Order: sequence, then C-alpha cells, then structure tokens
Amino acid sequence: EVRLVESGGTLVQPGGTLRLSCAVSGFIFSDYSMNWVRQAPGKGLEWLSYISQTSSIIYYADSLGGRFTISRDNAKNSLSLQMNNLRAEDTAVYYCARETGAGPDYWGQGTLVTVSS
Amino acid sequence: QPVLTQSPSASASLGASVRITCTLSSGHTSYGITWHQQQPEKGPRFLMKVNSDGSLNKGDGIPDRFSGSSSGAERYLTISSLQSEDEADYYCHTWGTGTVVFGGGTKLTVL
Repeated sequence: EVRLVESGGTLVQPGGTLRLSCAVSGFIFSDYSMNWVRQAPGKGLEWLSYISQTSSIIYYADSLGGRFTISRDNAKNSLSLQMNNLRAEDTAVYYCARETGAGPDYWGQGTLVTVSS
Repeated sequence: QPVLTQSPSASASLGASVRITCTLSSGHTSYGITWHQQQPEKGPRFLMKVNSDGSLNKGDGIPDRFSGSSSGAERYLTISSLQSEDEADYYCHTWGTGTVVFGGGTKLTVL
C-alpha cells in the first residue's frame, strides 16, 4: 500500500522557520518525482515545488520568492520542505504528493502550518 | 503558462449524473489534465488523467461511476449514480513549463 505521511506542522511566529517532512512507504521512492502542495483555509490547492527522482531537477512556484527549499533523501524514503521567513499567508495544510509525470497520483493526509504571533 | 478554469459549484440529486468542466486557456488546448477529489477534511485523491484525445488513465480503485472525456479546450469529469460521499471539491491540474497549475476547484453538492 502506498503511503505518504507528512509531519512537522506547528504554530510558528512570523519570520520563523520550519521544516516539513514526508515519509513514504509502499513504493520505490527513488523511482518517483515528488511535489509539495498547500491549501490555505477555505481555499484551493496551490502547488509549491517539484523535485525529480535524483534531485537533478527542482521547480518552485514563483510566489515563494526563494523562501522555501525542497529536498529528498532516497536512502531514508523521505521528502522535505524547508520554509524560511514565514508569513501569515503561509498558513495552510501542506501536502506531499507522488508525481507520475502527468500529475500527482498519491497524496498524503497533510500537516497544518499556522503562522501567527 | 496554462490557466485552468472551473465553475465554483455544481449540484445534482442523489442517484443522478453530473458533469464537471475544466477549461484550458488559449494556446494550451492540447494539454492533458488530471482530476482530483477532495472530500471534506481529507487530503486530495487522484481520480484520473484525461488526455486531449479523450483517453483516460484512472487511479487505483476509482469506481466505474467516474469517467472523463475531452472536447476542444474542455476536459470533463462525469460522475454517474451520485452517492452522498461524492459530495466533495474537485480539482483539475496540468503541467506548464517548469510549473504546475491547478484549477480553482468545483464544489459538488449532492442534493
């Protein structure tokens, strides 16, 4: 069974940093590209970042302004998202999703990040 | 980059059928898209890929009640024999050049 489990979401102050993780199981992690997608309260899905199987290709949404960094550790079956200089508008549920090349085919259950003083 | 346009809401009666539309922007009308369902308080779930020729690739365990099709710039998700658990938000998605695009989502209400 394919499983993606996000963790690391919490309450953080504006300007703070946070690192999210996504632990995967049930498939060969190194065979797949991955994405991070978020959803602000009451809003739609917003794509954040993509990383290829070997980390050789990485894309980010322009809106992030270089504040976020995606990475992966194929030996540990783990995907990460380092988030710096967090703002109130970064408050959202953050999802990791497995990428097929045509789009995500499996999603995690999400982890909530709240940016507030 | 492509833009995906969805109607914000749709509704249909229990047991009926409903078609949800995702429209590709000009210059991107040959793109395939994927459909994703998000039930209340849950993570999204991949439903299917719809190619420009109307061919489909469905996700694991997706019931036959869910189907897709294509016409010009429009990509469709049709749900037949509506059930209460089909009440959800439905999002279309596609790739641009080095970026990913989601439609704004369609909230389906089952009456």
